[in-house]
Amino acid sequence: EIVLTQSPGTLSLSPGERATFSCRASQSVSSSYLAWYQQKPGQAPRLLIYSASSRATGIPDRFSGSGSGTDFTLTISGLEPEDFAVYYCQLYGSSPLYTFGQGTKVEIK
Amino acid sequence: EVQLVESGGGLVQPGGSLRLSCAASGFTFRTYNLNWVRQAPGMGLQWVSYISSSSSTIYYADSVKGRFTISRDNVKNSLYLQMNSLRDEDTAVYYCARRNYDTDGMDVWGQGTTVIVSS
Repeated sequence: EIVLTQSPGTLSLSPGERATFSCRASQSVSSSYLAWYQQKPGQAPRLLIYSASSRATGIPDRFSGSGSGTDFTLTISGLEPEDFAVYYCQLYGSSPLYTFGQGTKVEIK
Repeated sequence: EVQLVESGGGLVQPGGSLRLSCAASGFTFRTYNLNWVRQAPGMGLQWVSYISSSSSTIYYADSVKGRFTISRDNVKNSLYLQMNSLRDEDTAVYYCARRNYDTDGMDVWGQGTTVIVSS
């Protein structure tokens, strides 16, 4: 079973700052199957990035994804007030079929 | 509007059963693969089960295998999750989520339904 480890657990930043967080897989995975989601309190998750670096429909270009092999990164180029949330990486196609990281919370500093 | 709406959650005793439903609208339901994903209180996301568009392929997480059954009705545009032998650790918000066939991501989610397993 492939494990996704996200770091840091919590990121304290101010609006306008750049946010960068990591998702590390326990073994090499195809970037085609790596996605990122945003979840705000009391809401369902929202797909941000698929195939490691492609933005989903309607996602602002301040969100970008990168990486390959075991190391993947989500970057928010300048935090907007609505970006303070929890972010999850997700792998598709392993066993189990979908695996999520434990999440990174971005909080207002 | 593309929408998924879950229902059927509630309070159930350990060992009990519950059937969740997810009603779809705004898209061609029969062509999409679907998932159930859950989130325990204060915890992260956990995938639960997957069903292909024609119901020919089904997968479960090990933690629910043998206890949960996923199904769908492409005439009623509905997804279901029959949950038996419920345990305390099944307490969670349960989301249905559509798999996008171009991206493999879960691009549409319901608002969730809460299941509480407690005596």
